[in-house]
Amino acid sequence: EIMMTQSPATLSVSPGERATLSCRASQSVSTKLAWYQQKPGQAHRLLIYGASTRATGIPARFSGSGSGTEFTLTISSLRSEDFAVYFCQQYYNGWAFGQGTKVEI
Amino acid sequence: QVHLVESGGGVVQPGESLRLSCAASGFSLRNYGMHWVRQAPGKGLDWVAVISHDERFESYAGSVKGRFTISRDTSKNTLYLQLNSLRAEDTAVFYCARDNSNFFDLWGPGTLVTVSS
Repeated sequence: EIMMTQSPATLSVSPGERATLSCRASQSVSTKLAWYQQKPGQAHRLLIYGASTRATGIPARFSGSGSGTEFTLTISSLRSEDFAVYFCQQYYNGWAFGQGTKVEI
Repeated sequence: QVHLVESGGGVVQPGESLRLSCAASGFSLRNYGMHWVRQAPGKGLDWVAVISHDERFESYAGSVKGRFTISRDTSKNTLYLQLNSLRAEDTAVFYCARDNSNFFDLWGPGTLVTVSS
């Protein structure tokens, strides 16, 4: 079973700043890594798949990188609507999610 | 527009059963594999079950195998999750999600299941 670990648990940033979220897999998942955004009362939104490909309609300020066991989601310049919880997910072998990173003001 | 909407959640006692529904609109379940994912209060996301687009493949998380059953009705374009022998630790918001090359490109807003005596 592949375990996913996200850090930090909470990230405090200001609008306009850069946010860097990390995700680590317990074994290699190649680039079978997705990122999702969760906001209260809303459906989860796919941001990134294949570790670095932005999903349809996702702004360019969101970018993903990494392969193997280390991955990063970067939000280049935070906007108010970006304050949310972000989850990474591996789909290399089954499906498993990280515990999430809350991006707050 | 494409949408998923879950329903059927509620409060039940340990050992009881519940059936969750996930109504799909804007696309056909015949063309997509579908998943259930849950999130316990204050916790992260846990994958629960998957059914392939042709219903030939099903898989379950170890914690629910033998108790939960995933199915679908293509005439109603609806996905289901039958939850039996519920435990307190099954308390969670349950989400359905559409499979797109094994990542999830569409989610519903979720339905809350509370197991409490």
